[in-house]
Amino acid sequence: AQSVTQPDIHITVSEGASLELRCNYSYGATPYLFWYVQSPGQGLQLLLKYFSGDTLVQGIKGFEAEFKRSQSSFNLRKPSVHWSDAAEYFCAVSGSARQLTFGSGTQLTVLP
Amino acid sequence: DVKVTQSSRYLVKRTGEKVFLECVQDMDHENMFWYRQDPGLGLRLIYFSYDVKMKEKGDIPEGYSVSREKKERFSLILESASTNQTSMYLCASERGRGGETQYFGPGTRLLVL
Repeated sequence: AQSVTQPDIHITVSEGASLELRCNYSYGATPYLFWYVQSPGQGLQLLLKYFSGDTLVQGIKGFEAEFKRSQSSFNLRKPSVHWSDAAEYFCAVSGSARQLTFGSGTQLTVLP
Repeated sequence: DVKVTQSSRYLVKRTGEKVFLECVQDMDHENMFWYRQDPGLGLRLIYFSYDVKMKEKGDIPEGYSVSREKKERFSLILESASTNQTSMYLCASERGRGGETQYFGPGTRLLVL
């Protein structure tokens, strides 16, 4: 069975600071990995995804994520956070069952 | 742009009522999904469908059923609503199979009294 762990429930950063959101997955083979963002009152929007190839993936809004097989991790990063990045972030994994399994989410607060 | 719409943003129902949540997508996607979202639990898959008149149970199907009579429409049914079904319900659609991007609707926040 596949699973995702997002160890940080809530993270607070100052505007302009760098950001890293952690994601660890459990799956026997190479999974498909995703990061979604949910702004208040909205549905989820895809930030980026990893299928294969280059382990550093670029996404929208200046986000990137790095797949590290040895650590079973897919951490999301942004070099300089903007106030509009305040939202909830979900990591998800898709394996052979072709269904997404989501982590519990990380709420990001951005201080002015 | 893919658009997934859900019939209601907010819904208040009484215990025992039959509840219908409707989802429509406009991009001819084969796959559609219903999730519920609860604080601290993330999104959990209730039911999904890979084709018209086809449905499969997700991780938490108890107390729910679905209907997919047309490709663009996927309905979630609570046969007899209970207070523990108070939640945010999200619909998503996806093209093809295997790791494609899922596109989400804005969600329906359901309160069962």
